Order: sequence, then structure tokens, then C-alpha cells
Amino acid sequence: QVQLQESGPGLVKPSETLSLTCAVSGYSISSGYYWGWIRQPPGKGLEWIGSIYHSGSTYYNPSLKSRVTISVDTSKNQFSLKLSSVTAADTAVYYCARLRYCSGGSCYPDTDYWGQGTLVTVSS
Amino acid sequence: QSALTQPASVSGSPGQSITISCTGTSSDVGGYNYVSWYQQHPGKAPKLMIYEVSNRPSGVSNRFSGSKSGNTASLTISGLQAEDEADYYCSSYTSSLLVFGTGTKVTVL
Repeated sequence: QVQLQESGPGLVKPSETLSLTCAVSGYSISSGYYWGWIRQPPGKGLEWIGSIYHSGSTYYNPSLKSRVTISVDTSKNQFSLKLSSVTAADTAVYYCARLRYCSGGSCYPDTDYWGQGTLVTVSS
Repeated sequence: QSALTQPASVSGSPGQSITISCTGTSSDVGGYNYVSWYQQHPGKAPKLMIYEVSNRPSGVSNRFSGSKSGNTASLTISGLQAEDEADYYCSSYTSSLLVFGTGTKVTVL
């Protein structure tokens, strides 16, 4: 059974960098699929942040691209998110997820496995 | 690229059928057969219910069905049950990003 688990600080100060890691078990990242981050501000809808393939190819939401870096560590079977210069608007539950395929500048919306989500609050 | 438009809420009685719409443009919903639907219960991660407009993942009840006409996709829940009460989101591929709908709260009366 594929499982994803997010980890990282729950509180980040404004202007600093948010860093999260997603550990994958039950499936080798190197075997395929794409791996991504999706967030949901409290009481609001879902927003795709970006995705990565095990080769390192990345796909980012254009509205966040200047602040986002997604990386992968196949030796640890995990991938990570860094979001710089955060503000209160970045307060959200952050989910990591497995996506079927990405092409062009985006990904197909087939996200079959999700982590439980982790709340990150941006506040001083 | 704006979020796809969904009705804020839809309600129905047990056993009834309801339909949730998801309206986009020719650059997203209308341009590709890559539309998915997710169910999200409070405090839980979204669950994939429909992919590629009308396909159900293994384990998803056949009471859930999807379709598309032009720039509007639809999710129909037949034989509504109490456990179907949740938020539902559509999502579509576009050439520049994966876009989600605004979300619909389904209430079982």
C-alpha cells in the first residue's frame, strides 16, 4: 500500500522559507509516477503548487514559480518543497501526493495517493 | 488561469440523484479529456472519485459518474447516501498548470 507522510515545521515566520518533506513508503519513487504538492488554505479550495519526476524534471504553478523549489531524493525515497518569502497568504494545509503523468507545463489531475496533510501557519 | 467554477452548494435527500457542474473554458475543461473529481470529508485528504472525465478508480462506487459537454464537466451522484455529504472539487489539465474548481458542499437532507 502506497503511503505518503509530510513532515516539517508547523510555524514559519513571514519572509522566511517554508520547508516540507514527503516520505513515500510502499512504492519506489524511481519506479515512475510523478510526485507533487497541493495546498489548501483554511476553509478554502485546493491549489496545485508543483510536481517532480524522479529524474528531477519539475512542473510549477506559474503563480508560485518564482518562490518554489521541489526536489527529489531517490536514495531516501522522498521529495521536498521549499517556498520562499512566505506571507500570511501561504498559511495552508500542505498535501503531498502522487500524480499519474505530467507533460508540457502541467500535470494530469489524477492524484491517486495523498498524504494526510500538514498545517503550516505563517506568523511572527 | 482562473479556478474552475462550481456551485457553492448542492443538496438532496437520501436516494435522490444530484449533479455538480464544473465550468471552465476551451483552455481547460473544454480542451482536454483530463478532468477529475475529488471528494473531501472534513479534516481529511481529498479522494479521487473520477478521472479522465468519466472513469472510476478501483473501489469507487458506481453511484458516482462523470461526463462533459463543451466547457462544462459534471459529476452525478445517484442513490444519495449520508456518507456522500462532503466537499467535491473538480480539476482539469491545462497547458500551464493543473487547475482546481472552487468546490461544492454536498448536503444530504
